[in-house]
Amino acid sequence: AQSVAQPEDQVNVAEGNPLTVKCTYSVSGNPYLFWYVQYPNRGLQFLLKYITGDNLVKGSYGFEAEFNKSQTSFHLKKPSALVSDSALYFCVAWNQGGKLIFGQGTELSVKP
Amino acid sequence: EAGVAQSPRYKIIEKRQSVAFWCNPISGHATLYWYQQILGQGPKLLIQFQNNGVVDDSQLPKDRFSAERLKGVDSTLKIQPAKLEDSAVYLCASSQTGRSGNTIYFGEGSWLTVV
Repeated sequence: AQSVAQPEDQVNVAEGNPLTVKCTYSVSGNPYLFWYVQYPNRGLQFLLKYITGDNLVKGSYGFEAEFNKSQTSFHLKKPSALVSDSALYFCVAWNQGGKLIFGQGTELSVKP
Repeated sequence: EAGVAQSPRYKIIEKRQSVAFWCNPISGHATLYWYQQILGQGPKLLIQFQNNGVVDDSQLPKDRFSAERLKGVDSTLKIQPAKLEDSAVYLCASSQTGRSGNTIYFGEGSWLTVV
């Protein structure tokens, strides 16, 4: 079965420290991978995507993600976390049937 | 560029009442989606339209939920009669073509509480 896994329900980081939100995927064919962020009482905002090409993808708000085909991972990273980055993050993949597969979400908490 | 617009943002109704949510996608986007997001979970697709035709409504509880996109632009999602378990955020989203790899853009959501 095709799936996206976010192994951590919650990630806690101190402001100014680097952050990583993990994602692994299992999809057939070429993976199309996305990260979305959801702030409290808001919809999902697109951060970045990997379709093809460079394995390091840069996105909004200073976030980037690294596609690793051998490890089937697409971890989200930021060199220096801000308190305002605190939110719910979703890793998402397109499956071959043209449907989105969502990870379960990771709650990021950045403390001052 | 304007984003996906949704209304109302918040709605509280009693069980067995009806409610309707409206969505206006990004201009030129052929594909429109309605998702249901229960608190603490990822979104679940309810229905997908390509222009004004339904592509996938396999997870839409058709005994109580209905949706339409009559002119291939705006869409309405209706729930009648509502149940307590329908309390959720209803997210409308759109993409240019609906093909794999397209970026899907979400609206701010319509937050429903059924009491």
